[in-house]
Amino acid sequence: ETGVTQSPTHLIKTRGQQVTLRCSSQSGHNTVSWYQQALGQGPQFIFQYYREEENGRGNFPPRFSGLQFPNYSSELNVNALELDDSALYLCASSLGQGLDIQYFGAGTRLSVL
Amino acid sequence: ELKVEQNPLFLSMQEGKNYTIYCNYSTTSDRLYWYRQDPGKSLESLFVLLSNGAVKQEGRLMASLDTKARLSTLHITAAVHDLSATYFCAVHPITQGGSEKLVFGKGTKLTVNP
Repeated sequence: ETGVTQSPTHLIKTRGQQVTLRCSSQSGHNTVSWYQQALGQGPQFIFQYYREEENGRGNFPPRFSGLQFPNYSSELNVNALELDDSALYLCASSLGQGLDIQYFGAGTRLSVL
Repeated sequence: ELKVEQNPLFLSMQEGKNYTIYCNYSTTSDRLYWYRQDPGKSLESLFVLLSNGAVKQEGRLMASLDTKARLSTLHITAAVHDLSATYFCAVHPITQGGSEKLVFGKGTKLTVNP
C-alpha cells in the first residue's frame, strides 16, 4: 500500500455531466499529480499541484481542472463529460523535491455513457 | 515532445527463461522509472534510475540506463508466474518550470507460463 487513497473507486456518468474525483496524498507529501489511463495505454499526465498551486499541465482541455487543499489532498474536476473521458484516473503523491518517486493511488474508474 | 517507446508490448514467456524489455525515449531526461501494474490495480514503483550507467536489481528484475543512447532495459532472470503483470517505463523530461510530470510508455504486458 502506498498511503495514497482515491475516491470513489468506480463512477458512472452520462455525457455532459460533471464529475469530481478525490485524492488524499501520502503523509508528508506536498505534491499531487493526476494522470488519465485509457484502457491498454500508459498513464497520461493531466496536471500537478505543489503547495496548492498548479505546477505543470499536460495536453488536456480547460474542462479538466483541479484543486489542492492546505492538507495537500486534491480534487480533479471534469466538466461537460465526453465518451472519451472514460478511463482510469490515477493520483500520485510525492515529496516535491525532485528526483523522488511518485506513489500512486488505486485509481478511480470513470465510465461515461 | 518527449516520446517513450517500449518493446515488446506483449511478452509471453516460459517459467525459468530470461528476457529483456526495452524502453527508448526521445529527449533529454534526468531520471527514468520502472513501474509494475497488476490487473485492476495501481502502479507499484520498482526502480528509479538517475544517471548514465545506473544499474539496479531487485530479485529477478534488473534495470539499467544508458542516457547517451536514451535507452533503459528491464531484464528478467529465470521468470516465475508471479512476475506476470504490465511493466511501464516513465521518463521525467528536463523542462523549464520544474514540474514533476512523467511521460509513460504504453507498457509491456508480461505473461509467464508454467
